[in-house]
Amino acid sequence: DTGVSQNPRHKITKRGQNVTFRCDPISEHNRLYWYRQTLGQGPEFLTYFQNEAQLEKSRLLSDRFSAERPKGSFSTLEIQRTEQGDSAMYLCASSSRGGQTDTQYFGPGTRLTVL
Amino acid sequence: AQSVTQLDSQVPVFEEAPVELRCNYSSSVSVYLFWYVQYPNQGLQLLLKYLSGSTLVKGINGFEAEFNKSQTSFHLRKPSVHISDTAEYFCAVSDRGFQKLVFGTGTRLLVSP
Repeated sequence: DTGVSQNPRHKITKRGQNVTFRCDPISEHNRLYWYRQTLGQGPEFLTYFQNEAQLEKSRLLSDRFSAERPKGSFSTLEIQRTEQGDSAMYLCASSSRGGQTDTQYFGPGTRLTVL
Repeated sequence: AQSVTQLDSQVPVFEEAPVELRCNYSSSVSVYLFWYVQYPNQGLQLLLKYLSGSTLVKGINGFEAEFNKSQTSFHLRKPSVHISDTAEYFCAVSDRGFQKLVFGTGTRLLVSP
């Protein structure tokens, strides 16, 4: 049973460029979450999917951000026209809807640095 | 809406000493409670969780936490810490729909010899 994987682990980009991150959840987990963590803070919820449906989006997710989960498997998070304030660790988590097994398991994160 | 307060940003402790990391939460509905640990440049690992039942929850690496509904607290404890416990610890809550975790700002545990 492999864990949640995220790629790339690190991304350095120039302001104004677009970036895309990928998350592969634990196999058969039908819920997938994205969080953002800035230095010295706890993770903040961005959005979540149940299967391929995006069911909730945070106010933090501006119109420059878009997330997809085609076919309910892996997910991508795209940031367009990056700004220096987007620099953060982007964490993905997955869980399986099923009562007491609904623990979220986190990936290692993608650290984004916008120059 | 839920919120979490971790009162201590940093807790220094000597190896083999006991430690308590404090967590208080606020919610208008029943919640589930979690403690996660984050080692440098890594994702979060679940230490323990309270869903229902016994208010004393045991987790991995010798940690335990006690849910206190009247004080809205979920403090994390370990009777004897190791150098390897040095990390950032996050308390989190979610509503019973499991739709999102709300995290505290974290407590950095620094264990020295």
